[in-house]
Amino acid sequence: DAKTTQPNSMESNEEEPVHLPCNHSTISGTDYIHWYRQLPSQGPEYVIHGLTSNVNNRMASLAIAEDRKSSTLILHRATLRDAAVYYCILRGVSGNTPLVFGKGTRLSVIA
Amino acid sequence: GAGVSQSPRYKVTKRGQDVALRCDPISGHVSLYWYRQALGQGPEFLTYFNYEAQQDKSGLPNDRFSAERPEGSISTLTIQRTEQRDSAMYRCASRGLQGAGEQYFGPGTRLTVT
Repeated sequence: DAKTTQPNSMESNEEEPVHLPCNHSTISGTDYIHWYRQLPSQGPEYVIHGLTSNVNNRMASLAIAEDRKSSTLILHRATLRDAAVYYCILRGVSGNTPLVFGKGTRLSVIA
Repeated sequence: GAGVSQSPRYKVTKRGQDVALRCDPISGHVSLYWYRQALGQGPEFLTYFNYEAQQDKSGLPNDRFSAERPEGSISTLTIQRTEQRDSAMYRCASRGLQGAGEQYFGPGTRLTVT
C-alpha cells in the first residue's frame, strides 16, 4: 500500500471545525482513501472513505484534492468526544487487504 | 447487534508459557484480521482469514505465533513460549461482504509477559 503522511498532532477548540490533512503523493489510480480513528482505550473505528469525489457522512466529510495526492478529513464541529488518533489509510480496490496504519494525527479538543 | 468480542481482555503470563487469545467476530462476517498494537503506535497487521482459510500470515513475527479459524467464525491466536517482547495489545477485526471493506475492531486483549 502507498504511504501516507500526517501531522503528529493537532489541537482544536470545542465547537470549531477541524481540518485534518493527509498527503499521499504516491497514490495509485485505484487506491481508495480511508480514514479510521481510535478513541482512548478503544479499538480503531471506521470514519469515512472516498476515491475521487468529496464525501459526507454523519461523522465527517472527506475532501479529496483534484490530483488525489492529498485529502482532508473535516469534522464540522469538534466535540470533546472527537479527541482521538486519526489515521489516513490507502486501500486497494478489493477492500479485502489488511489495514496499514501509520502513526496518525493525535487530535486534542479543548473545552 | 453484537460487535467483535475478544477474550480474555487482560492476560498476564510468565515468560515461557503459551497463551491463546480468542476473537469472536460479528456474526456472518467473512474476513477476520489480527493486529498487534504497541503503546503509542498504530496497529500492526499479523494475519488474516477469509472464512476458514488463512490468506496472509506475513505479519506474524516468528514461528512462535500461529492462528486458526477452523469453522470460519471464532479465531484463536496462539503464542508459544512467550517472551517479554510479546507484551502488547492484540486486536481482532472482522469485515463483512457489504460496504466499503470497513473493518470492525474488538476491544483487544492486553498481554503482559513477566
